[in-house]
Amino acid sequence: NAGVTQTPKFQVLKTGQSMTLQCAQDMNHNSMYWYRQDPGMGLRLIYYSASEGTTDKGEVPNGYNVSRLNKREFSLRLESAAPSQTSVYFCASSQGPYNEQFFGPGTRLTVL
Amino acid sequence: AQTVTQSQPEMSVQEAETVTLSCTYDTSESNYYLFWYKQPPSRQMILVIRQEAYKQQNATENRFSVNFQKAAKSFSLKISDSQLGDTAMYFCAFLDSGGGADGLTFGKGTHLIIQP
Repeated sequence: NAGVTQTPKFQVLKTGQSMTLQCAQDMNHNSMYWYRQDPGMGLRLIYYSASEGTTDKGEVPNGYNVSRLNKREFSLRLESAAPSQTSVYFCASSQGPYNEQFFGPGTRLTVL
Repeated sequence: AQTVTQSQPEMSVQEAETVTLSCTYDTSESNYYLFWYKQPPSRQMILVIRQEAYKQQNATENRFSVNFQKAAKSFSLKISDSQLGDTAMYFCAFLDSGGGADGLTFGKGTHLIIQP
């Protein structure tokens, strides 16, 4: 099992560009999450999906959109990237909302 | 909203020593879950240990154990016989069981360095 995979691993964008971060899990989990990690901070929740077909905002959703494409995949889109979105992005999944969350390897995004 | 506080930005101990990382949290909920995650330089987030608030017994996983004090809202992690591979960032995290997949609330982390 690959667990949770994320693509790309690294990305550099210019201000105003758009991009989509991809996440997939092969553990048949129901819930999926997107977090961001900034220097000196713990992870903060951007969006989550409790189950296929549902998404909800987390603590820091501004500037992002998400799509739960199917049970396996949960993508995060930046429509117009800003330097404040420079961060490391983690995707996670869990069987249910109160189960252990398994994390992907992260995507380091730099917005110039 | 819940908050998680880790008051030790960095700690350093010698290999084989025992070290305790502190975590306090603030919540009005009576039932919830607490976690310690390890993040080595590889950046991968790895679950170390988990505690359900309704369980009075402290969780243990091999060399890792917790001291859960519900009334004091304290959740410390003890690492016994520390090893060089324990060098990492350690994050305390809180999960509300009040309903909904709200995700984890993390502390800012403690950078643990194990010296040879």
